[in-house]
Order: sequence, then C-alpha cells, then structure tokens
Amino acid sequence: GQNIDQPTEMTATEGAIVQINCTYQTSGFNGLFWYQQHAGEAPTFLSYNVLDGLEEKGRFSSFLSRSKGYSYLLLKELQMKDSASYLCAVRDNYGQNFVFGPGTRLSVLP
Amino acid sequence: DAGITQSPRHKVTETGTPVTLRCHQTENHRYMYWYRQDPGHGLRLIHYSYGVKDTDKGEVSDGYSVSRSKTEDFLLTLESATSSQTSVYFCAISEEIGNTIYFGEGSWLTVV
Repeated sequence: GQNIDQPTEMTATEGAIVQINCTYQTSGFNGLFWYQQHAGEAPTFLSYNVLDGLEEKGRFSSFLSRSKGYSYLLLKELQMKDSASYLCAVRDNYGQNFVFGPGTRLSVLP
Repeated sequence: DAGITQSPRHKVTETGTPVTLRCHQTENHRYMYWYRQDPGHGLRLIHYSYGVKDTDKGEVSDGYSVSRSKTEDFLLTLESATSSQTSVYFCAISEEIGNTIYFGEGSWLTVV
C-alpha cells in the first residue's frame, strides 16, 4: 500500500529554522518531492531527492534516507511569506504517479 | 510559471448533472494529470494521460472520465455529479515520465 505521514500543523517564529518531517511506506520509490502550497493556490515545486543525502537550495534544504523511508524539509531564516502548507510526495517506480502526503500547515509568527 | 490554464475556476452545480473541467497547456508536455484535493486526504490522482487518446485510471477514478483529443487539452468529466465530488481539482503536467509535475491554478467545484 501507499502511506505518507506528515505532521498536520507546525508553528515557528520569523527568523527561526523549522524542520518538517515526512515518513513514507510505498510500494515503489523513484524520488521524493516537496511542494509549497499557499491557501487557495496551486502547489509549487520546491525540491527533489532521489539519492540519500541533503539537497540545498537557498533557504530551503531537503534530506532523504531511503533505508528509513524518511525525508525532511528544512526552512531557514523563516519569513512571514513561508506560512503555507508543505506537501511531501513520493514518485512510484514507473514514474507515472505521485503519491502525496496530507501536507503540513506551517504558521510563521512575528 | 508553467503555462497551464484551468476552466472554469469556480463552479456550483446540482447533484446529477454532468460537469466538464478543462485543462489547457502551452508547454507541449506529453503527460497530463487530474488530481483532487480534500482536507485530510491530500492530493489524489483521478486520471492521467501519456499522450493523445492515451489515458489511464488513478486512485480515485470512479465517477470520472477523461479525454485527450489534442496534446494541449485534457478534459475531466463528472458523468453525474454527487456531493462527494465537491472538491478542488488540479490539473498537472510533466514533460516526460518521472519528471517534476507542475500544477494549474485549480478548479473549485461545489455540488449541491
């Protein structure tokens, strides 16, 4: 089966660092993706990991451990505009389907 | 931003009526997808297309049909809308299989 878990909500302070975790159990794996989604808007692509390790992209970093079925998204120097939902998604072996987690709603407080 | 346009953006319809949502892309991408997003469920795949006239079912395809007669257009039809199909529908595209997918702005559908 397919199962992806993320915390439902998180709160952090402007300027701080926050880590959003994602654990997955899927029948196949061919990459893990993170998307950002502001309320009432479309998801937008943030990062992608297919091999174990850390991928850094400006204030955002994503980490993957395939053996543990675990990933995290690290957001540094938080800004108010980072208040959004963050979606973790696993691409299956054939690449045709992305299975999405329920999303983590992040609130950044002043 | 990927050139993806969904129409209509908002629609209210009555139970039992047919509804068609349209997704139009200007990127000439081969793969197109329809997802629905509901609280607590995340994004779930309804149908996808891997070329003109080539489509396949996703996780939640019951009550939905799709058609793709041109590369740029992917239509989602609710044959007889039910209240359980009240949702936000997102179209997505990808250039090739396995590539990152990019989403349209979404279509908010309410079935009363």
